[in-house]
Amino acid sequence: SQTIHQWPATLVQPVGSPLSLECTVEGTSNPNLYWYRQAAGRGLQLLFYSVGIGQISSEVPQNLSASRPQDRQFILSSKKLLLSDSGFYLCAWSVAASSYNEQFFGPGTRLTVL
Amino acid sequence: GDSVTQMEGPVTLSEEAFLTINCTYTATGYPSLFWYVQYPGEGLQLLLKATKADDKGSNKGFEATYRKETTSFHLEKGSVQVSDSAVYFCALSDHTEKLVFGKGTKLTVNP
Repeated sequence: SQTIHQWPATLVQPVGSPLSLECTVEGTSNPNLYWYRQAAGRGLQLLFYSVGIGQISSEVPQNLSASRPQDRQFILSSKKLLLSDSGFYLCAWSVAASSYNEQFFGPGTRLTVL
Repeated sequence: GDSVTQMEGPVTLSEEAFLTINCTYTATGYPSLFWYVQYPGEGLQLLLKATKADDKGSNKGFEATYRKETTSFHLEKGSVQVSDSAVYFCALSDHTEKLVFGKGTKLTVNP
């Protein structure tokens, strides 16, 4: 069966510090991968998605970036965090070229920027 | 573009009450439809899905029917429990790589 991991689970960082969040998927090959952000009391915002190694599509221009160095690894980064980057970050995967594109989510990372 | 509209709530019910959370969509073609549930502090879990008109998705006592004529996919449960307290998201797939989500509906069930 497939599993998706995210770490760290929680993170408290000062404004201006760098960020690296990691997501890995097990039990599948060549998945589509996604990063979402959920601000407090708000809905889901798609940040990035990837259909293959090195292929990143950005949905929202901001100070975040994403990379996919391996087939089942997806990394969210920032060089300098802003207060507005606080939120709950969710990674998800789906089967590539699926007719239905149901997505499966990880447990999330709670980021607080102070 | 495609969109999903769901009642934002919050919705507060007593245990054993009947639940309906409305969801309507706008899409070209024939999207697949989903309900996700998010328990406090957790990621989203796929609750149920329907991939064509008149399909009924069901899971854990929840049901939703894909109604193309009314472009709706309302979530229902006959008797809610305290453990159903969560945020519920309606979503559609237009068969691209992305899902379109509604804004979520927070459900609180009191004993």
